[in-house]
Amino acid sequence: DGGITQSPKYLFRKEGQNVTLSCEQNLNHDAMYWYRQDPGQGLRLIYYSQIVNDFQKGDIAEGYSVSREKKESFPLTVTSAQKNPTAFYLCASRSRDRGSGQPQHFGDGTRLSIL
Amino acid sequence: AQKITQTQPGMFVQEKEAVTLDCTYDTSDPSYGLFWYKQPSSGEMIFLIYQGSYDQQNATEGRYSLNFQKARKSANLVISASQLGDSAMYFCAMREGWAAGNKLTFGGGTRVLVKP
Repeated sequence: DGGITQSPKYLFRKEGQNVTLSCEQNLNHDAMYWYRQDPGQGLRLIYYSQIVNDFQKGDIAEGYSVSREKKESFPLTVTSAQKNPTAFYLCASRSRDRGSGQPQHFGDGTRLSIL
Repeated sequence: AQKITQTQPGMFVQEKEAVTLDCTYDTSDPSYGLFWYKQPSSGEMIFLIYQGSYDQQNATEGRYSLNFQKARKSANLVISASQLGDSAMYFCAMREGWAAGNKLTFGGGTRVLVKP
């Protein structure tokens, strides 16, 4: 089945540590996105990439980094500079179907907590 | 100013009844799209329905329909014949234009609890 796979499902970070969240898609979508969701709130955009080897900052990029070396993969690194990383992280890719507005489709998310 | 506003933090609805979830938006771009997503307690975001700013008719998708009032800048989601499985968070989101990465801006969400 085609879809978006995020791993791990749960992740714990120690103080001063960088951690990387994985996002893989086999939908052949060009554009991919990373969002952060805090409890009881909506999603906020961290980074997005429209094509391989290119990415742009979203609204809350500070303390995060990404890479896009392959079309299928868009990993997110939460660096030690991100002082409040505890949140639910969602990865998405964008459909090419203009008839339905090119919706973004999401993975199951990664819950990151501080130890 | 908030671009997407969902004023109902939580709602109860009786099973088999209809429920309307409010969403108002703010944009000066004449070309935009509005999306509704469902987020069950497990966390994944499920795309439900889409309305384009130039669409003449309200969007429908099974038990979901969108009450689009362009002049009032509202795009309310109507869920008919509610089922227990409809209990979830619901988010309204907007895409402004077709360029700049087709980024989505999300509202704060409405929690729906369906009572048997």
